[in-house]
Amino acid sequence: DIQMTQSPSSLSASVGDRVTITCRASQIISNFLNWYQQKPGKAPKLLIYAVSSLQSGVPSRFTGSGSGTDFTLTISNLQPEDFATYYCQQSNRNPATFGQGTKVEIK
Amino acid sequence: QVQLQESGPGLVKPSQTLSLTCTVSGGSISSASYYCSWIRQPAGKGLEWIGRIYTSGSTDYNPSLKSRVTISLDTSKNQFSLKLSSVTAADTAVYYCARTQYGSGSYDYWGQGTLVTVSS
Repeated sequence: DIQMTQSPSSLSASVGDRVTITCRASQIISNFLNWYQQKPGKAPKLLIYAVSSLQSGVPSRFTGSGSGTDFTLTISNLQPEDFATYYCQQSNRNPATFGQGTKVEIK
Repeated sequence: QVQLQESGPGLVKPSQTLSLTCTVSGGSISSASYYCSWIRQPAGKGLEWIGRIYTSGSTDYNPSLKSRVTISLDTSKNQFSLKLSSVTAADTAVYYCARTQYGSGSYDYWGQGTLVTVSS
């Protein structure tokens, strides 16, 4: 299986901050990298697909980048509704696998 | 607006079979642009892909669960289903169904999730 490692596991930030979450794959996954946001008791929500494509309806303060094995999710101008857990997911090879999650908390 | 809704028993006894159905509304599961997936999440833990089914009926399963999993499709009812046999407490989790985009393999619409507890 392709292992997805996110860092950090958690972070504290303030409204208005710029936040960066990284995701590293154990092997090259081309552009098959997606990002999700999950709030407590809710299903994950797709934010970014194919590394950098913004899902319809998602604010433009969310951006994705990267290639090969190293990827980044950046949240610019952090808003109160952005405090949540974020997951990366690779879909290059079965089984699809997710990172362990990064919890973004209020400082 | 596409919506997915999981249904099925919330409590399953050890060694029995977990059965869940996902009903899709607002879109056809027969679309060539999408396929259907099941994902689960134990309490306080991360996400685990269970498997997927294409409109052709072809399936892929997580090797860690493959011997116990069956996913099927009922296009007449716009539903797809999950069966997981010989369950143990380790199968206790929130189970999600999700629509999956061809190409990116991303899950763009999810059900709300249903908690399945394995306990006698």
